[in-house]
Amino acid sequence: GDSVTQMEGPVTLSEEAFLTINCTYTATGYPSLFWYVQYPGEGLQLLLKATKADDKGSNKGFEATYRKETTSFHLEKGSVQVSDSAVYFCALSGVNFGNEKLTFGTGTRLTIIP
Amino acid sequence: DAMVIQNPRYQVTQFGKPVTLSCSQTLNHNVMYWYQQKSSQAPKLLFHYYDKDFNNEADTPDNFQSRRPNTSFCFLDIRSPGLGDAAMYLCATSRRARGEETQYFGPGTRLLVL
Repeated sequence: GDSVTQMEGPVTLSEEAFLTINCTYTATGYPSLFWYVQYPGEGLQLLLKATKADDKGSNKGFEATYRKETTSFHLEKGSVQVSDSAVYFCALSGVNFGNEKLTFGTGTRLTIIP
Repeated sequence: DAMVIQNPRYQVTQFGKPVTLSCSQTLNHNVMYWYQQKSSQAPKLLFHYYDKDFNNEADTPDNFQSRRPNTSFCFLDIRSPGLGDAAMYLCATSRRARGEETQYFGPGTRLLVL
């Protein structure tokens, strides 16, 4: 079945550092890929997505590229801020029309220190 | 702004006392989902509705039920909450159409069982 493997956390970085959170997936076909962010006590917010190979999703300085050859969708940001502290989830959606079930990674807790 | 709304944000109930959580959406999406999220874990899908068509996950306990009286509203009923049901409950919506797999989440309801 489908699965998502996400970099173990927690991750602690200094402000303005470069961020990478690794995400790889296993799925048949071409799933859509997502990064969601969850701030403390809140629901999940869509951060970015990509729906086909070589697509790059971007938002708020974050980027991720859909790499079919390495089955990866790593999240990157060039200069993190304290406000980026949150839990980040990588996810994929079912490839079959009508099967929108999301498969999540375990989440990565990110803490940015001033 | 179009959105997914959950009420209440915090709910306290007693062991064994039925509780209902509500979700409404202004996105006019035809699919609505309920997830359970326990601390430091990824969300776990309980069930979803495609219009009025109910789809239960195989491992969702019978204690959890759902109702969708119309497109905009969906309810989660927990018939006899146990201590293990204390969690964050997330509602999400999506529009079932090719290329439209994105799920949009509400802010969640945190349930405490005493």
